[in-house]
Amino acid sequence: DQQVKQNSPSLSVQEGRISILNCDYTNSMFDYFLWYKKYPAEGPTFLISISSIKDKNEDGRFTVFLNKSAKHLSLHIVPSQPGDSAVYFCAASDKGSARQLTFGSGTQLTVLP
Amino acid sequence: SQTIHQWPATLVQPVGSPLSLECTVEGTSNPNLYWYRQAAGRGLQLLFYSVGIGQISSEVPQNLSASRPQDRQFILSSKKLLLSDSGFYLCAWSVRRKETQYFGPGTRLLVL
Repeated sequence: DQQVKQNSPSLSVQEGRISILNCDYTNSMFDYFLWYKKYPAEGPTFLISISSIKDKNEDGRFTVFLNKSAKHLSLHIVPSQPGDSAVYFCAASDKGSARQLTFGSGTQLTVLP
Repeated sequence: SQTIHQWPATLVQPVGSPLSLECTVEGTSNPNLYWYRQAAGRGLQLLFYSVGIGQISSEVPQNLSASRPQDRQFILSSKKLLLSDSGFYLCAWSVRRKETQYFGPGTRLLVL
């Protein structure tokens, strides 16, 4: 049972345009959601997070939106740059002391020059 | 600042051989520590986590084990590797009770 789903395995966007990556979850007990960026053969890098009590968080070119009623979040990258090309993982954190993360399967973003 | 190290970066091992992957964290105390595996084209699967020395929780039954002999050291082991153990192994740390995890560079394991 996948509790965190990224239904688009890949996305291509023109440089300078907006990239929108989507993520759905099923567990209402998740209280934080995170986005990570990963290059091949490297560890994921933390990008941005959002608490379940908020609906938007912004950091530079990156904005995460949370729709709790739909159990859906999205990452917007504006403007997209070729260096943004990577795999993006959505993750959700539970409230336990270990703060386990449940990851989606990832979306490969390709920004075309 | 905090840094996390993993070694080796790449490992090729025959089926049935033992495994030991090491992870160390610098610049923090009492971190939560995690081991993940990423199979080819898949997401990250949590294997083990630890909230303190000697405390290990397993998420997935398998022939792997983990140990935390020191506060900032996390070791992933196997007595006999299987072909299905091939993958990209990632260690991560977080501040106790905080949600953001920070990942190491990973170890690519190929079992032949």
